[in-house]
Amino acid sequence: QKEVEQDPGPLSVPEGAIVSLNCTYSNSAFQYFMWYRQYSRKGPELLMYTYSSGNKEDGRFTAQVDKSSKYISLFIRDSQPSDSATYLCAMSVGGGADGLTFGKGTHLIIQP
Amino acid sequence: DVKVTQSSRYLVKRTGEKVFLECVQDMDHENMFWYRQDPGLGLRLIYFSYDVKMKEKGDIPEGYSVSREKKERFSLILESASTNQTSMYLCASSSLAHPNSGANVLTFGAGSRLTVL
Repeated sequence: QKEVEQDPGPLSVPEGAIVSLNCTYSNSAFQYFMWYRQYSRKGPELLMYTYSSGNKEDGRFTAQVDKSSKYISLFIRDSQPSDSATYLCAMSVGGGADGLTFGKGTHLIIQP
Repeated sequence: DVKVTQSSRYLVKRTGEKVFLECVQDMDHENMFWYRQDPGLGLRLIYFSYDVKMKEKGDIPEGYSVSREKKERFSLILESASTNQTSMYLCASSSLAHPNSGANVLTFGAGSRLTVL
């Protein structure tokens, strides 16, 4: 079983829809959870950062962590064509950067 | 904002050539990283560095070496390029003292797409 599982997509939704992106993981020691967004031919950029369980909201984006289910989600409200990108989840046990484990990314397409 | 600059966006090299990929960050970050990204395999860590002249192997160091002579610069070296090293290479940096988050918050460069013929 891979340590972090993420559906590669593509996930195609109409503009204005609510998007749900998810990752499951097997290592119960993960405590730090991140979502990165990567546009085509660009490097990933940090979108959301969460420590431990719970929700975090930033504008149209909400990150949710359920440690009991080993499941994290990123919700995008009022999706825009500019949200079309690949979304990578990442997680680590400690705060150090050497132990970061990435999902393979979900390719999201928002149709105008 | 932190800026991570990778000097070459696109390179084409021949098998056996020595390849240098350069990365510079401008925010005095302690940590620097080299990843490669391949379809279906995601991001894989090649090498990282916590300090000048210090390096640690990541998950796939074979065929690569690195150099960090100055804090802001981290170079990836392919001593003898092979076709299976054709990939997108991403440099990243992070700070041990990043406020409200951990050192695992990475800032990436735009990437260097290497093709080895």
